[in-house]
Amino acid sequence: GQQVMQIPQYQHVQEGEDFTTYCNSSTTLSNIQWYKQRPGGHPVFLIQLVKSGEVKKQKRLTFQFGEAKKNSSLHITATQTTDVGTYFCAGPGDNYGQNFVFGPGTRLSVLP
Amino acid sequence: SQTIHQWPATLVQPVGSPLSLECTVEGTSNPNLYWYRQAAGRGLQLLFYSVGIGQISSEVPQNLSASRPQDRQFILSSKKLLLSDSGFYLCAWSRSGGPWAGELFFGEGSRLTVL
Repeated sequence: GQQVMQIPQYQHVQEGEDFTTYCNSSTTLSNIQWYKQRPGGHPVFLIQLVKSGEVKKQKRLTFQFGEAKKNSSLHITATQTTDVGTYFCAGPGDNYGQNFVFGPGTRLSVLP
Repeated sequence: SQTIHQWPATLVQPVGSPLSLECTVEGTSNPNLYWYRQAAGRGLQLLFYSVGIGQISSEVPQNLSASRPQDRQFILSSKKLLLSDSGFYLCAWSRSGGPWAGELFFGEGSRLTVL
């Protein structure tokens, strides 16, 4: 079945530094979504990418979808302590697209 | 607006005891419903999903089961809990059409500790 991998597993940065997490799929994805989970909380949707090569920005966050639609990245510029949490990518779990498969996540720690 | 309720929020159960977690969605109809499990510090493992009443797809064979007795109600059960069932259980819903119809909306989660 569909597999989605993410690297790195953990990232510790100093406040103000940039952060990037990468997501790779074993197969072509029709779309990819990104979620953020704060410590002790539940995942919250950030964005969905659909088009090949798509780039979307949300303030300090930049999301990219690869040309081959098999990889994606999330880049945070000038991290803040509010960025702490685990970032997950997710894609359709099968050809019917009825379920979501999540990557293992990247846990971000931001040191003040 | 749509809301999702999940309970109980926390529970501690002995090995071998039964389990019932309940999830309800309000403000929408015919949602896709999902149960995920998250072990401590780990990713999200899809357990079950449902595209309609009485329709359950199981992703991982185990001692858990799911049921959807009503359109907006999703229940996760076990007859006998194992130590390995400990974790953070998350109910979620999406619009019909799964990932192509939009995002997942998660409940607050149920933290289960099996002793």
